[in-house]
Amino acid sequence: EDKVVQSPLSLVVHEGDTVTLNCSYEVTNFRSLLWYKQEKKAPTFLFMLTSSGIEKKSGRLSSILDKKELFSILNITATQTGDSAVYLCAVGDGQNFVFGPGTRLSVLP
Amino acid sequence: DTAVSQTPKYLVTQMGNDKSIKCEQNLGHDTMYWYKQDSKKFLKIMFSYNNKELIINETVPNRFSPKSPDKAHLNLHINSLELGDSAVYFCASSHSDRGSYNEQFFGPGTRLTVL
Repeated sequence: EDKVVQSPLSLVVHEGDTVTLNCSYEVTNFRSLLWYKQEKKAPTFLFMLTSSGIEKKSGRLSSILDKKELFSILNITATQTGDSAVYLCAVGDGQNFVFGPGTRLSVLP
Repeated sequence: DTAVSQTPKYLVTQMGNDKSIKCEQNLGHDTMYWYKQDSKKFLKIMFSYNNKELIINETVPNRFSPKSPDKAHLNLHINSLELGDSAVYFCASSHSDRGSYNEQFFGPGTRLTVL
């Protein structure tokens, strides 16, 4: 059965800290890995990764995929209180998306 | 302009009733999805429709039936509602190329409460 595991499940940091969120997966036919940020409502898309070793960057957020070791990390530098959210990792096999449980990040002022 | 919209936003109903949630996307995507997010915030796919054809059904009870009148709409019908159906239901859409999968855009969600 396809599986996506995220760690840590929750994280509390102070503004200005750097955080690394982890996502590991077991998928029969990997096509892509996606990161989402979910605050109070619907998830919003952050990154889609399909190739190993290529870092995707957007402002203070960046992500990279390791298809050999079957994991991805999401880095957030200089965290702000607005970064507080649940970060979801999802893996697509071409027909289905399997979501991880999410990492709840709380950034304190 | 709203990309993926759902109605209603909130739905409170009694056990045993039949209800529908509507979803529309104006992104020109060819694949639409329904997800259920339970009280523990775990997101799980229920259905996927590609070009009006159901391609995934993740062991969802047959009380749930997706209906797609056209490529821009995927409605979710639920018969004989049960307490355990209470959750937030998200609609999403994406453009799917052969051999690859693209990002999904989510609707705002419908919070269903079954009493």
